[in-house]
Amino acid sequence: SAVISQKPSRDICQRGTSLTIQCQVDSQVTMMFWYRQQPGQSLTLIATANQGSEATYESGFVIDKFPISRPNLTFSTLTVSNMSPEDSSIYLCSAGDRLDYGYTFGSGTRLTVV
Amino acid sequence: AQSVAQPEDQVNVAEGNPLTVKCTYSVSGNPYLFWYVQYPNRGLQFLLKYITGDNLVKGSYGFEAEFNKSQTSFHLKKPSALVSDSALYFCAVRDNSGAGSYQLTFGKGTKLSVIP
Repeated sequence: SAVISQKPSRDICQRGTSLTIQCQVDSQVTMMFWYRQQPGQSLTLIATANQGSEATYESGFVIDKFPISRPNLTFSTLTVSNMSPEDSSIYLCSAGDRLDYGYTFGSGTRLTVV
Repeated sequence: AQSVAQPEDQVNVAEGNPLTVKCTYSVSGNPYLFWYVQYPNRGLQFLLKYITGDNLVKGSYGFEAEFNKSQTSFHLKKPSALVSDSALYFCAVRDNSGAGSYQLTFGKGTKLSVIP
């Protein structure tokens, strides 16, 4: 299965600023996803990162707040824009292929907004 | 829509005793079912999956899970718990019934504490 490198692993940011999280996969994959895990909570899907086209966002998440890029089949970024303390969470990248029956996860980015 | 329920926020078990972490699911078609484990300050690690075939699935670290279609359940089990099994466990489901249904839906997680 794919191996994912996600960075940064953690950051403390000032409100009103933006942070870009990178997700690098060691092999080409068709599917890449971004999740948010708020403290003590489950994983919530933010969006599916589509190669060469706009990401597909889930209800409650918008492109202006969480712009996503996916320039190729091994790399994606998630930006958390105009941050507020409510954005403090763990953000996780996940990747795999359509015919995979399980996806691999990155180690996550722990974001604290102050 | 697909959904997963993990009815227990926390499960406590003594080391050496068998453990069970419960999961029920809802999908419109046939399910693909997964268990993941998350250790503190780490990402999710895949434990096991059910796609088709034998209802008893064996996975990593001695864990197994039993698929029960009539009860729409996929409970995680281990015959003898270790202190190192203490972590957060997530059940996830994917509906294989339609094109584009590649997303995993996660349960809220169950914290397993194994007591020495």
